[in-house]
Amino acid sequence: QKEVEQNSGPLSVPEGAIASLNCTYSDRVSQSFFWYRQYSGKSPELIMSIYSNGDKEDGRFTAQLNKASQYVSLLIRDSQPSDSATYLCAVKRNGQAGTALIFGKGTTLSVSS
Amino acid sequence: GAVVSQHPSRVICKSGTSVKIECRSLDFQATTMFWYRQFPKQSLMLMATSNEGSKATYEQGVEKDKFLINHASLTLSTLTVTSAHPEDSSFYICSAVDRGRGNQPQHFGDGTRLSIL
Repeated sequence: QKEVEQNSGPLSVPEGAIASLNCTYSDRVSQSFFWYRQYSGKSPELIMSIYSNGDKEDGRFTAQLNKASQYVSLLIRDSQPSDSATYLCAVKRNGQAGTALIFGKGTTLSVSS
Repeated sequence: GAVVSQHPSRVICKSGTSVKIECRSLDFQATTMFWYRQFPKQSLMLMATSNEGSKATYEQGVEKDKFLINHASLTLSTLTVTSAHPEDSSFYICSAVDRGRGNQPQHFGDGTRLSIL
């Protein structure tokens, strides 16, 4: 079983719709969870971080974490064509600075105008 | 916010050449930097963890003699791809974490696209 799994997509939504991106992870002791956005040919850009169960909202983005189900999601409200990118879910096992992120393969989102 | 600078952004060179990539944290000290590699349509794969003043920790399957990592200061880590071959062509990305802020997100450099002819 892969450590971090995402549906590769593509996920296609019309402009203005809600895009829902999902991620599951296998290591139950994981403590930190991140969503990155990556445009083609560019490096990842941090969108959201979440550490506790529940929802965390930042503008049009909401991250949801359920540690019991080992599931983390990202909702994008009022999707815009500029949101079209690959979204990477990343998990960190603990809170130590020396611990690397484990990435999923990413979900490609396409927002049509 | 935290800024990580990576240089060069693109390298095209002949097979057998050694290539050095620099990763700098511009406004914070990073005791730990990470090196990732990303092949087309694949995710980021961790190559090694670079710790200031000590040897890097390499992931399984990554040749430490081929991918030399030096982290000589709190703001600079370098990755040298020695005797590069076409199969080493990839997108190399570094990231760094602010010293002492263990649970803060990693910030990535802009990446280096390496093409070996």
